[in-house]
Amino acid sequence: VQLQESGPGLVKPSETLSLTCTVSGGSVSSEIYYWSWIRQTPGKGLEWIGYFYHGRTNYHPSLKSRVTISLDTSKNLFSLNLNSLTTADTAVYYCSSLMFRDAHSWFDPWGQGILVTVSS
Amino acid sequence: SSELTQDPAVSVALGQTVRITCQGDSLRSYYASWYQQRPGQAPVLVIYPKNNRPSGIPDRFSGSSSGDTASLTIGGAQAEDEADYYCASRYNNGNHWLFGGGTKLAVL
Repeated sequence: VQLQESGPGLVKPSETLSLTCTVSGGSVSSEIYYWSWIRQTPGKGLEWIGYFYHGRTNYHPSLKSRVTISLDTSKNLFSLNLNSLTTADTAVYYCSSLMFRDAHSWFDPWGQGILVTVSS
Repeated sequence: SSELTQDPAVSVALGQTVRITCQGDSLRSYYASWYQQRPGQAPVLVIYPKNNRPSGIPDRFSGSSSGDTASLTIGGAQAEDEADYYCASRYNNGNHWLFGGGTKLAVL
């Protein structure tokens, strides 16, 4: 499976960020993958945002009120929406897949990442 | 602690062995995974639970764990191993995920 992010590189404060992650080499409907978003900032490092799995979502508590992750099976992609943006949301956003073996987990693969700057 | 703590920077002489550690309470319950990130690139998985290497990762990379500490060992470090290394694990509650702050490895 390969993943590729796309979306705007610049968004204004208070607006909504919409990113998509196109999946190739596999199906977004697969039961193997928990489709995830992760972001990286210089100040806070890597931060897990959340995942979508079989109609269920799970979000980081600090972002839960502002984030939505969804699937588009017709286009074989999944999406991230993050609203009420502030400059603190400036980051490189990665899509990835969360994998499990028993109770243990890991993220693989990762997309190449997309830099999103929040600025007026 | 709900955090994963890593040393900010570590150095190793070319060809020598280096261990990078990750400490946190969640590691008593969940195995860590490890990621290599070269400048300007996305993280790449190098160790997944339980201390396994993905295909394509050199066998000089290995993982181990004891108590609240997970370790990534590079046996015979090469110049191309110079990168940032991150650990990751589930939170103690099992519902969310967190990353360590990263360790910058310099190969001298």
